[in-house]
Amino acid sequence: SAVISQKPSRDICQRGTSLTIQCQVDSQVTMMFWYRQQPGQSLTLIATANQGSEATYESGFVIDKFPISRPNLTFSTLTVSNMSPEDSSIYLCSAPGKNTDTQYFGPGTRLTVL
Amino acid sequence: AQTVTQSQPEMSVQEAETVTLSCTYDTSENNYYLFWYKQPPSRQMILVIRQEAYKQQNATENRFSVNFQKAAKSFSLKISDSQLGDTAMYFCAFMKQTGVGGSQGNLIFGKGTKLSVKP
Repeated sequence: SAVISQKPSRDICQRGTSLTIQCQVDSQVTMMFWYRQQPGQSLTLIATANQGSEATYESGFVIDKFPISRPNLTFSTLTVSNMSPEDSSIYLCSAPGKNTDTQYFGPGTRLTVL
Repeated sequence: AQTVTQSQPEMSVQEAETVTLSCTYDTSENNYYLFWYKQPPSRQMILVIRQEAYKQQNATENRFSVNFQKAAKSFSLKISDSQLGDTAMYFCAFMKQTGVGGSQGNLIFGKGTKLSVKP
């Protein structure tokens, strides 16, 4: 399995501000993934973060709103920019386990935008 | 495109009894993986069980087992001897197999089934 940590675990932010979420994996991985879970909903992929290249965004998500960094093989950040109440969600990162074909998740960041 | 459907928004079961959660999926891929994840109120996504599409044998993990019907594109989860700690949202997920020896692709999730285990 993989051990994945996220910071912060939760935050309450004001409209128009930005928040950066950090994700740390205990092993080197090629890809990391960022998901959004809106209240009462399932998980939706925001983007795939590849080390050494730009992230690949899913339809409906753009880099200006959700910039992603991937400076090395164990770490990634997701920024939620110019936040509005509609951005209130749980944001989760995931990564594959070492030598497995299974995705493991961080504990998530609960974001509330006022 | 792949889709995953969970037709039971909510279910309940008495402690110590058995419950089955349904999941169907649609894909044109032949090689893929299927998963059940559990999300308790703590919101942590926990892997329950994993199935490789090329394996005919159904996966089992202690009290959890699946009924994988590839032709029917069905992947149900059976929880035996239900415990209060099984109370959670359960998500069925699909991942395409890419490359030799596995995949690092993203997951496609169903909408989830909220399971309540009653004492």
